[in-house]
Amino acid sequence: DTAVSQTPKYLVTQMGNDKSIKCEQNLGHDTMYWYKQDSKKFLKIMFSYNNKELIINETVPNRFSPKSPDKAHLNLHINSLELGDSAVYFCASSRGPSGNTIYFGEGSWLTVV
Amino acid sequence: AQTVTQSQPEMSVQEAETVTLSCTYDTSESNYYLFWYKQPPSRQMILVIRQEAYKQQNATENRFSVNFQKAAKSFSLKISDSQLGDTAMYFCAFMKPPYSGAGSYQLTFGKGTKLSVIP
Repeated sequence: DTAVSQTPKYLVTQMGNDKSIKCEQNLGHDTMYWYKQDSKKFLKIMFSYNNKELIINETVPNRFSPKSPDKAHLNLHINSLELGDSAVYFCASSRGPSGNTIYFGEGSWLTVV
Repeated sequence: AQTVTQSQPEMSVQEAETVTLSCTYDTSESNYYLFWYKQPPSRQMILVIRQEAYKQQNATENRFSVNFQKAAKSFSLKISDSQLGDTAMYFCAFMKPPYSGAGSYQLTFGKGTKLSVIP
């Protein structure tokens, strides 16, 4: 079973649309993350949730809204998509304070046209 | 703020040979963790190896080993007996633990080194 799974893996959509990427982890971890990898392959954290509570919220447009219904899920909703949102979005998780290795999902390739 | 620098944007190595990827970082923390992640063309981020700063012994994982020089803030990755499947982007990453028990970890990545293994 995949430890950190994201859906969809590929998404092509038009500017102005709203889309969501779902993430689930079956590792029993307390903390989940969203990272963005741009076209230059630079990875940067966007959000982090610990036990459903928002911990890290980097400088990200408020068109991006994470939602954590429970500690095994962290979904990313993006409103009014722009061309610059095209990237690979990685969900990740870690055990939190008692564990310190972050495990990544397979990534979701978002292309905005 | 922490920074991670990978000074080699691209490298190549002959199959079965050894290659070393360099990474330096800047931090004022004394307790932290360092990682190497591999990203093959499939774009999946795969953990290769990790090192705790408080451990003097260099981490090893099969053909992968690190040379951790804490005073120099250097963390290089050595790949022995390179295989075609090692072709990938390699990212060095720094992590500091949260200051509070309810905090969360955060990785700071370098810009990556593209490694090509040549048959």
